[in-house]
Amino acid sequence: GAVVSQHPSWVICKSGTSVKIECRSLDFQATTMFWYRQFPKQSLMLMATSNEGSKATYEQGVEKDKFLINHASLTLSTLTVTSAHPEDSSFYICSAGPPAVTQETQYFGPGTRLLVL
Amino acid sequence: DQQVKQNSPSLSVQEGRISILNCDYTNSMFDYFLWYKKYPAEGPTFLISISSIKDKNEDGRFTVFLNKSAKHLSLHIVPSQPGDSAVYFCAAGGGQNFVFGPGTRLSVLP
Repeated sequence: GAVVSQHPSWVICKSGTSVKIECRSLDFQATTMFWYRQFPKQSLMLMATSNEGSKATYEQGVEKDKFLINHASLTLSTLTVTSAHPEDSSFYICSAGPPAVTQETQYFGPGTRLLVL
Repeated sequence: DQQVKQNSPSLSVQEGRISILNCDYTNSMFDYFLWYKKYPAEGPTFLISISSIKDKNEDGRFTVFLNKSAKHLSLHIVPSQPGDSAVYFCAAGGGQNFVFGPGTRLSVLP
């Protein structure tokens, strides 16, 4: 089946630093990828939709200057948490789907655990 | 190798009948399971969960069954309604990290 990877799986950083998380589709091209934040045992919160070759679309309440998204190729999207603070500590997940079934079938990455000290 | 599998990519059910969505997992350490529902162009929304100490959890029309020995869970929707048409994801994990299945598209026909 389709595989989506994320790197790193774990990151610990100091407050005020920036952290970049990568999301890759390994065996298909994804014109659209989605970034989520998950709170413990709760729903996924859609943060933004990453569009290849154009600007990301952010959900209401998500600061675009804080969560920078770049979708430079059909297999890679990056999320950069800028000037991270402890309240940004969370589990970040990306998903992507083959273009023919975009937004229907979605393959989720394994997630990245961010801890800001 | 997928740790969480949903082997039926799609399912069609008549309105008023029961919808049964299945999910299998491989990691015996998983102790918490969730079901999400996703409409097109929206993020998944939490539907129902179950912990490994239970084998059934019910919320209105939605019931989740867990068979730990078989590493299998299922979501039952009774009666099914057209508004239930969506993609359903199961997720399994422990603590705060979860692994998601690829989803099953449910179509409820009027």
